[in-house]
Amino acid sequence: AQTVTQSQPEMSVQEAETVTLSCTYDTSESDYYLFWYKQPPSRQMILVIRQEAYKQQNATENRFSVNFQKAAKSFSLKISDSQLGDAAMYFCAYSPTGNQFYFGTGTSLTVIP
Amino acid sequence: DAGVIQSPRHEVTEMGQEVTLRCKPISGHDYLFWYRQTMMRGLELLIYFNNNVPIDDSGMPEDRFSAKMPNASFSTLKIQPSEPRDSAVYFCASQPRRLDGLGETQYFGPGTRLLVL
Repeated sequence: AQTVTQSQPEMSVQEAETVTLSCTYDTSESDYYLFWYKQPPSRQMILVIRQEAYKQQNATENRFSVNFQKAAKSFSLKISDSQLGDAAMYFCAYSPTGNQFYFGTGTSLTVIP
Repeated sequence: DAGVIQSPRHEVTEMGQEVTLRCKPISGHDYLFWYRQTMMRGLELLIYFNNNVPIDDSGMPEDRFSAKMPNASFSTLKIQPSEPRDSAVYFCASQPRRLDGLGETQYFGPGTRLLVL
């Protein structure tokens, strides 16, 4: 079974500081895709960053970066220089084929001014 | 592109009534997905289509739920009859097909918040 685990239901960070959100997944596949989505209060799901498992280099998008540890099946999201607009629910997602997505239960991030 | 469009954004109905949710995917995307999000169960895939053909509907909870995609630019998710436990946010997402066959990002609509009284 494919499962995605986000062990931190809630996290908080001081504005301008750095925070890391954890995600682990279970799979027997060698090639797959990993994503982080952000869901602000508007409820829309917004792609933050993606990572292909065959790439060893960690993906980076501006202030967002990942720490992808394939052997450990870990995919954490680091947010640097946190901003008030980063406050949202963050979902980790795993996709073995590029079509089927499996989502974690989410981490609610609060940014403290 | 306007992104994935869903309507209505909010729906309040009474138990037993028929509910129809609508989705317009991003033009050119080959895949369309319907998800349901609740506090208890998180984000669940209900069904997805490839080129208008349903591929996997194993997530559809029961026969009261049905989904159609009559053409590449329109899909509906229907609940008949609706029940209070169907209250949730329903998302539609579309996804392009990469020429190299590898995975691609899903683009979500704004969601429809359904409340069944």
